[in-house]
Amino acid sequence: AQTVTQSQPEMSVQEAETVTLSCTYDTSESDYYLFWYKQPPSRQMILVIRQEAYKQQNATENRFSVNFQKAAKSFSLKISDSQLGDAAMYFCAYRSATGTYKYIFGTGTRLKVLA
Amino acid sequence: NAGVMQNPRHLVRRRGQEARLRCSPMKGHSHVYWYRQLPEEGLKFMVYLQKENIIDESGMPKERFSAEFPKEGPSILRIQQVVRGDSAAYFCASSPRTGGSNQPQHFGDGTRLSIL
Repeated sequence: AQTVTQSQPEMSVQEAETVTLSCTYDTSESDYYLFWYKQPPSRQMILVIRQEAYKQQNATENRFSVNFQKAAKSFSLKISDSQLGDAAMYFCAYRSATGTYKYIFGTGTRLKVLA
Repeated sequence: NAGVMQNPRHLVRRRGQEARLRCSPMKGHSHVYWYRQLPEEGLKFMVYLQKENIIDESGMPKERFSAEFPKEGPSILRIQQVVRGDSAAYFCASSPRTGGSNQPQHFGDGTRLSIL
């Protein structure tokens, strides 16, 4: 069975600085997708970025980028130029490319942004 | 273009009562997933449905929980004889029929269930 681990329960970053959130996963599959979701206090689940495992190039969305290391099964999220609105819970998620496509989530990292 | 709609936003029940949570997927989406989020935890998969079919219910508790997605109307997650441990946020997500695994799931805002 696949598992997703987020080892940082909480992180802090100064406004305008850069922070990296860690995520590791375990799978025997070769084809899958990885996602980062943001959950602010409003409880919405907002898709931040996604990565296809077959792509070697790291995904980038504006200030958000990932460092995808397939051999190491690592999928970290880098937030550049942090803003107060980035404060939220961040969840890493895995989804197989076959089967029922259900998500497997990590336990989350709470990000605090300091003014 | 409305997103995934869940209602109610908050639901309060007493122990032993029934809870019904509703989810209307995005327009054009025919796949629905239910997840449960306990306090300070990540989301856990419960069940995956397509119209009139349960595809994967491997995350559903064996008793008291059921789900349906009828041909017409929203998907319903039903919890009978609720207990304190059922208190959680329940999220629904939907994805389109075409596109397969490449399509991300779109989440609703969740229903927070509180058991007195």
